[in-house]
Amino acid sequence: GQNIDQPTEMTATEGAIVQINCTYQTSGFNGLFWYQQHAGEAPTFLSYNVLDGLEEKGRFSSFLSRSKGYSYLLLKELQMKDSASYLCACNAGNMLTFGGGTRLMVKP
Amino acid sequence: ETGVTQTPRHLVMGMTNKKSLKCEQHLGHNAMYWYKQSAKKPLELMFVYNFKEQTENNSVPSRFSPECPNSSHLFLHLHTLQPEDSALYLCASSQDRAEGLGGQAFFGQGTRLTVV
Repeated sequence: GQNIDQPTEMTATEGAIVQINCTYQTSGFNGLFWYQQHAGEAPTFLSYNVLDGLEEKGRFSSFLSRSKGYSYLLLKELQMKDSASYLCACNAGNMLTFGGGTRLMVKP
Repeated sequence: ETGVTQTPRHLVMGMTNKKSLKCEQHLGHNAMYWYKQSAKKPLELMFVYNFKEQTENNSVPSRFSPECPNSSHLFLHLHTLQPEDSALYLCASSQDRAEGLGGQAFFGQGTRLTVV
């Protein structure tokens, strides 16, 4: 089976930096996705990592360590609109399995 | 707008009703998925279709019956549901069946289902 863990909730301040961690245990790992989901809306793609290292995309970066079964999503210069759930999803065994999501609240 | 459209957006049904959820994508994707999202629980994969063939049934009760008539359309037929089936049902599609970046899922807006 697959097991994906991420914190349930986080709070951060506008303009700050926040790191959302995700740990996973899978077989046949084939990449890791991060999605953003605003309340009542569909999840939307943020990033994809299949090799170790950091992928940067504007204010958002995602890191992967396959040996440690660990990823994080880094959000810089937080804005109020970044308040959302962030879903870590593992691509393994030709299936995409999601973690429970981390609800991020950005405060002024 | 992700290119995946679900209807209806909201549905209230009684336990003896029969209803269907519809999903449509014109992205040229080959794989389509049904997910269930309940409050405070992870997204749960229900069914996977690849090239119109069902390839995964994640131990879903038979009161949920999927149908994929072509690679652009996916239905979820519902009958004799229970109140605990109330959830957000999300449809998604991907270019490939979870192979590399082709496994990136594009989600519809979901159908908020309430069973009374």
